[in-house]
Amino acid sequence: EVQLVESGGGLIQPGGSLRLSCAASGFTVSSNYMIWVRQAPGKGLEWVSVVYRGGGTKYADSVRGRFTTSRDNSKNTVYLQMNSLRAEDTAVYYCTRDPITMKDAFDIWGQGTMVTVSS
Amino acid sequence: QSVLTQPPSVSAAPGQKVTISCSGSSSNIGNNYVSWYQHLPGTAPKLLIYDNDKRPSGIPDRFSGSKSGTSATLGITGLQTGDEADYYCQTWDSSLSGYVFGTGTEVSVL
Repeated sequence: EVQLVESGGGLIQPGGSLRLSCAASGFTVSSNYMIWVRQAPGKGLEWVSVVYRGGGTKYADSVRGRFTTSRDNSKNTVYLQMNSLRAEDTAVYYCTRDPITMKDAFDIWGQGTMVTVSS
Repeated sequence: QSVLTQPPSVSAAPGQKVTISCSGSSSNIGNNYVSWYQHLPGTAPKLLIYDNDKRPSGIPDRFSGSKSGTSATLGITGLQTGDEADYYCQTWDSSLSGYVFGTGTEVSVL
């Protein structure tokens, strides 16, 4: 079965760090663009980051310089390292993929992991 | 603040049709493909439409997509109570060099 499972969310103080994981099964992460999307409470969906097949990355302006996305091909897992966390980073974080065969579309999504930044 | 604008909400009676607009610019919708998602908060978003007007396997033909210029539209016919959710358009923005989502539209079945 093709699926994504996120983990690593939780309650963290402002200024702290957290690493989210996204374990894939049924397909190979290195053959796809892997994306993180978040939804803050009461807000819409917001793109966060992408790691390309070649390993290159891009980030939304709101997280650039604080968040880093990476992948471990041996574990078929994608990560989001979040540093210098702020209250406005509080959100459900979803992992998804752009399979490339669909142009810029996200076909498989995880269930999400909640990150709460609060003192 | 999203660069893609959608109406906050639309509603119709069961069996009727609704359309959701998504307005952008030449840097996003005008020169890239549009996708649409159905989302119940707390659950995984579901891809409804990709490449402007294509449906993934398993998505009923009650859902349709179209694009004209710098705007896109999602149509839902034969509205069902199970269609009550938030709907988002999404594309790539060449100026921002990133993916962008619409502001989201809540669909209510009266």
